[in-house]
Amino acid sequence: DAGVIQSPRHEVTEMGQEVTLRCKPISGHNSLFWYRQTMMRGLELLIYFNNNVPIDDSGMPEDRFSAKMPNASFSTLKIQPSEPRDSAVYFCASSLQGAQGEKLFFGSGTQLSVL
Amino acid sequence: SQKIEQNSEALNIQEGKTATLTCNYTNYSPAYLQWYRQDPGRGPVFLLLIRENEKEKRKERLKVTFDTTLKQSLFHITASQPADSATYLCALEKSSSASKIIFGSGTRLSIRP
Repeated sequence: DAGVIQSPRHEVTEMGQEVTLRCKPISGHNSLFWYRQTMMRGLELLIYFNNNVPIDDSGMPEDRFSAKMPNASFSTLKIQPSEPRDSAVYFCASSLQGAQGEKLFFGSGTQLSVL
Repeated sequence: SQKIEQNSEALNIQEGKTATLTCNYTNYSPAYLQWYRQDPGRGPVFLLLIRENEKEKRKERLKVTFDTTLKQSLFHITASQPADSATYLCALEKSSSASKIIFGSGTRLSIRP
C-alpha cells in the first residue's frame, strides 16, 4: 500500500487566492482527519470524517475553510480566500475505526505558504 | 477547555541513557493515549497505544505508562541512540467510536553520541 497520499507537496500562493489541498486515504480506512501544524500552535485538528460524513468541524478556523469527502478514496480541504496566517503544514491522516483505538496513518503533508 | 501539555519543548540526553518524556492533560477523559514520532519534513508515525485500563505498555526499547488519576503519561526510551532523535507527540482519544484525536505540542528529543 502506498500509504496516505497528499498533493501538492508544496504550495505557494498569493493572499486572496483559492487553495485546494488533496488527500487519498489508505484503501479500506473509514476515518479521515485533516490537521494543521505550526510552530506556535502545534498539530491542530481541523475536521474529521467517518464513512465520508463530517463528524466534527469545530476546529475549522473560519468560513474561509471548507472540506469535502465525496467518496471513500478522496478528500479536499479548500481555503478561499487564503491569508498569510494560513501558512502552515497541512496533514491528512486516515485510520480504520475499531474497538482497539484509532491508530492514525499520516501523509507527508502539504507545506502551504501564503504571501 | 481541554488541554494537553508535554512538559518540555526539548530534551537533550547522552546516548545510552533513558529518555523520559511527559504528557499531562486536563479537562479530558481519554479512553486511549497514543505516542507518535515525527521527523523533520514528515508526518507523525504511530509508536504505541495504551488504554485507560492499562498501566503500562512495552515495545522493544519503548515503554509507556498511563495514570488516569494523575492525568499523566510517561514515555520512556531505554538505551537511547542518536537515531532516536526526533519530536515525540502524545495524542488523546476519547472513545473508540469515531472520536476526536487531539495532539500535544510535542517534545524535541536529541540524543548526543
